[in-house]
Amino acid sequence: EPEVTQTPSHQVTQMGQEVILRCVPISNHLYFYWYRQILGQKVEFLVSFYNNEISEKSEIFDDQFSVERPDGSNFTLKIRSTKLEDSAMYFCASSDASSGYTFGSGTRLTVV
Amino acid sequence: DAKTTQPTSMDCAEGRAANLPCNHSTISGNEYVYWYRQIHSQGPQYIIHGLKNNETNEMASLIITEDRKSSTLILPHATLRDTAVYYCIVRVWSGANNLFFGTGTRLTVIP
Repeated sequence: EPEVTQTPSHQVTQMGQEVILRCVPISNHLYFYWYRQILGQKVEFLVSFYNNEISEKSEIFDDQFSVERPDGSNFTLKIRSTKLEDSAMYFCASSDASSGYTFGSGTRLTVV
Repeated sequence: DAKTTQPTSMDCAEGRAANLPCNHSTISGNEYVYWYRQIHSQGPQYIIHGLKNNETNEMASLIITEDRKSSTLILPHATLRDTAVYYCIVRVWSGANNLFFGTGTRLTVIP
């Protein structure tokens, strides 16, 4: 069964450093998303991406965040200057127009 | 997207059917009912979705009331691996539409 792949599975970074979280969506999917989940809290929408541009973003997705699809297979989330409160699980997901989402297994980001 | 209401937690004996209810009284005519689950800290997993007819797949069955104001997800023979948080989400059918997760129902399957 096709799956969404995320790397790394765990990232530890110093506060103020830049991080890039990587995702390989399912190859024939057109819609891409990032969600995050702070420990013990709800899964929160960050951003959706379609046709090489952001479709929608939440209030969480401020100027410190950016997304990119640098080639035909990868989809990345960059956090420019990490804060302690950015510590969370980050989930990438993809979908086509007719299916439910497929989520990756997540990247656990720990900011110290 | 319409709001949903789910019980906070439920228990189910292993091998028995697990019936998870969801209220979505403000659902619009073009909104579908989706069910996802999250096992521990893994990524949410799609289970099933439907508009107004009952649906069944290899994982579960979805029963939607005739007025569409509520639905029930049925896991016919629950196993320990079905212990998870189950989310009921209503949204318009569109690949571009985002999912908004509530707090879900924490299902514990008991041996």
